[in-house]
Amino acid sequence: DTEVTQTPKHLVMGMTNKKSLKCEQHMGHRAMYWYKQKAKKPPELMFVYSYEKLSINESVPSRFSPECPNSSLLNLHLHALQPEDSALYLCASSQDPPGRGTDTQYFGPGTRLTVL
Amino acid sequence: RKEVEQDPGPFNVPEGATVAFNCTYSNSASQSFFWYRQDCRKEPKLLMSVYSSGNEDGRFTAQLNRASQYISLLIRDSKLSDSATYLCVVKGEENTGFQKLVFGTGTRLLVSP
Repeated sequence: DTEVTQTPKHLVMGMTNKKSLKCEQHMGHRAMYWYKQKAKKPPELMFVYSYEKLSINESVPSRFSPECPNSSLLNLHLHALQPEDSALYLCASSQDPPGRGTDTQYFGPGTRLTVL
Repeated sequence: RKEVEQDPGPFNVPEGATVAFNCTYSNSASQSFFWYRQDCRKEPKLLMSVYSSGNEDGRFTAQLNRASQYISLLIRDSKLSDSATYLCVVKGEENTGFQKLVFGTGTRLLVSP
């Protein structure tokens, strides 16, 4: 079973709102990732968590704030977003952190975010 | 030059056709290679890893040429359900030691009846 779940599937928010995206996996994977994907573009890495600790932040603006409450959950807190932040936000997980073994990444279905 | 380059297509083929996609990568230190498939408005799904010796999974065959920094995907006996965007993905090591997936922009395949 290589299932990663994400909620909500769709989210519409105003520029002054605060919202959160959630990601969950029960495969015992030790690394989790957030990606952003704009239409007709490939996914772009935002954050990597290894063993529940933030290991990579790809210079993402502070209006995106990741959180890893436990080994199965990954949140992305959103605040004061801009319309250009509208995109598909993908969560992924891998058994091991990048470069340390079985690090094949499996993606969740994504949250389609629209910022008005 | 992009790190991973693919022909965006679309490739329009009839059912039953054989189609091949190519991908080139710029980082000679790249260590792992994958093909992912992405349907419209869905997440990328791993199709297959690509090994130096080449590997086959049913109708799909992947090849890697490290000397030419070139990866290919061959689909035989195309089905309507193969219509999707195929993403070439390369894992390479950055200066920090972090190994990151780098995605190509994808090649769109349309299989028609």
